[in-house]
Amino acid sequence: QQQVKQSPQSLIVQKGGISIINCAYENTAFDYFPWYQQFPGKGPALLIAIRPDVSEKKEGRFTISFNKSAKQFSLHIMDSQPGDSATYFCAASMLRYKLSFGAGTTVTVRA
Amino acid sequence: DAGITQSPRHKVTETGTPVTLRCHQTENHRYMYWYRQDPGHGLRLIHYSYGVKDTDKGEVSDGYSVSRSKTEDFLLTLESATSSQTSVYFCAISEVRGETNSYEQYFGPGTRLTVT
Repeated sequence: QQQVKQSPQSLIVQKGGISIINCAYENTAFDYFPWYQQFPGKGPALLIAIRPDVSEKKEGRFTISFNKSAKQFSLHIMDSQPGDSATYFCAASMLRYKLSFGAGTTVTVRA
Repeated sequence: DAGITQSPRHKVTETGTPVTLRCHQTENHRYMYWYRQDPGHGLRLIHYSYGVKDTDKGEVSDGYSVSRSKTEDFLLTLESATSSQTSVYFCAISEVRGETNSYEQYFGPGTRLTVT
């Protein structure tokens, strides 16, 4: 049973648009929430991460929003570009070294 | 790639044969992990290691064993491969880094295993 539920499974966005991916968790002991980006044939790469004492973190065009009371967090990709087309995974950890992953979201950015 | 290599990168094997996948790292990281990736499941932890000869099970460890006799190498063995073990296998390392002060995990390029 997946401890982190991710949606949607896939999304298509126009170039310049906003991509939004949502994740939800039940275990309140989770204290580290990273997002990974994966291109076909490659390993996942750490994109951005947040701790639960912060409600939002921004790095370039990527923003994590965190809602501790709702046990939800999301990834926003602003000004989406064709090069952002990839699969994105959210994850969560309570023992600092063990991650539980969501099922992944395939993002397609149309030019 | 955090200095991680995996071998082989692709392998096709028959049901019932033993298979060993190798993960090699060059930066002396303490923690190493093996995951499998399947559509609809994301990445699932098979086994992990927190030092030489120190290993523990993950959420999908049945049918897999691991060994770590040197810091730089973490081996994953399928004693008798089954078709359900057809998957892409990723090795990862982790280190404390960045403002989150958490063990950030970095992944290797993966091994695509097909069991026929």
